[in-house]
Amino acid sequence: EADIYQTPRYLVIGTGKKITLECSQTMGHDKMYWYQQDPGMELHLIHYSYGVNSTEKGDLSSESTVSRIRTEHFPLTLESARPSHTSQYLCASRGRDRGIGNEQFFGPGTRLTVL
Amino acid sequence: AQSVTQPDIHITVSEGASLELRCNYSYGATPYLFWYVQSPGQGLQLLLKYFSGDTLVQGIKGFEAEFKRSQSSFNLRKPSVHWSDAAEYFCAVGAKNYGQNFVFGPGTRLSVLP
Repeated sequence: EADIYQTPRYLVIGTGKKITLECSQTMGHDKMYWYQQDPGMELHLIHYSYGVNSTEKGDLSSESTVSRIRTEHFPLTLESARPSHTSQYLCASRGRDRGIGNEQFFGPGTRLTVL
Repeated sequence: AQSVTQPDIHITVSEGASLELRCNYSYGATPYLFWYVQSPGQGLQLLLKYFSGDTLVQGIKGFEAEFKRSQSSFNLRKPSVHWSDAAEYFCAVGAKNYGQNFVFGPGTRLSVLP
């Protein structure tokens, strides 16, 4: 069973707060991703990781940072949240290609609102 | 560079009617192709994928898609839409070069009339 978890599901915080969005997967996947998505809009890749101690910025510039010190865990941190950070954040993972078109598995998302 | 287009931003169909959602991609070779569905406030769920072989692929929830190399298309179809199919649908391209990330289309929002 493919499982990828995100916590919290919903978060409302004030401007200037530091927050960490958690993402964990139990599939042993080496690749993990963070996407930012406004309601009804397209996905924007903001960070990805190909394995432990490997992180890269995605196509969309983001003030967030990520870390990958364990295979299963890929948290995203905002040092000082602003209203412009209000969005939905989706985490995904992907295993090694075995010639069968392995897909990305998505978590349920975190809906962040910064007041 | 890879790109994915979904020409229809929003489609409305009546329940029981057939559905076709369009997806066109740009890529130098045959990529992996995916269709995902997203319900409001949720993550993305894989409907089906194409990686090789038969160009007509079957997925979950009664969906199917056909890969047409000559048209660089991977259109999603369903013969009879249910009200629960109302959602956002994303087409994605994943290169067979494992080092490259997926490219997602902008999405098509499906509304279903009773």
